[in-house]
Amino acid sequence: AQTVTQSQPEMSVQEAETVTLSCTYDTSESDYYLFWYKQPPSRQMILVIRQEAYKQQNATENRFSVNFQKAAKSFSLKISDSQLGDAAMYFCAYKRPYDKVIFGPGTSLSVIP
Amino acid sequence: NAGVTQTPKFRVLKTGQSMTLLCAQDMNHEYMYWYRQDPGMGLRLIHYSVGEGTTAKGEVPDGYNVSRLKKQNFLLGLESAAPSQTSVYFCASSEFGLGTGELRANVLTFGAGSRLTVL
Repeated sequence: AQTVTQSQPEMSVQEAETVTLSCTYDTSESDYYLFWYKQPPSRQMILVIRQEAYKQQNATENRFSVNFQKAAKSFSLKISDSQLGDAAMYFCAYKRPYDKVIFGPGTSLSVIP
Repeated sequence: NAGVTQTPKFRVLKTGQSMTLLCAQDMNHEYMYWYRQDPGMGLRLIHYSVGEGTTAKGEVPDGYNVSRLKKQNFLLGLESAAPSQTSVYFCASSEFGLGTGELRANVLTFGAGSRLTVL
């Protein structure tokens, strides 16, 4: 069965600095999708970034980028120039086509002014 | 453009009572999901549906039932609530994934969550 692991329950970063959140997953599939979702204190889940497994190029969305290592089954999220609004729970997620999404346990990110 | 709407947002129940959470989406999505979120455990899938009239069990289905009579609605029922079902419940939906090129079809859109307390 597929699993998603986030080994850092909590992280903190100084405002304007860079932080990397880790995610590893276990799968025997070659075709799948990976996501990072953000959950701020408002509780609303928001998509941050997404990656198709067949694409070697790492996805980027403004200050957010990923380091996708398919062979290592690793999908880390880098947040550059951290802002106070980045403080949230971050969930890594995995999905095969036509199948359900599997979430990791989450990493709580604090941003220190 | 409402997206995914969950009702109610808050509810307090006594042990043994029943209730239904309603999820409605206006995006014509095929897939709908119910998750529960508990501290330190992330989101765990309760039940899901791949289309109108179909449902399937997720990771933690015991104590819950679901129905998808209409494509836009996905109901989560608790027949006899227990304190262990105190949680925040999230509904989500996604388009039908058509293949590797359809990444957008596999993105989840979430509701705002429903906090349920069982005393």
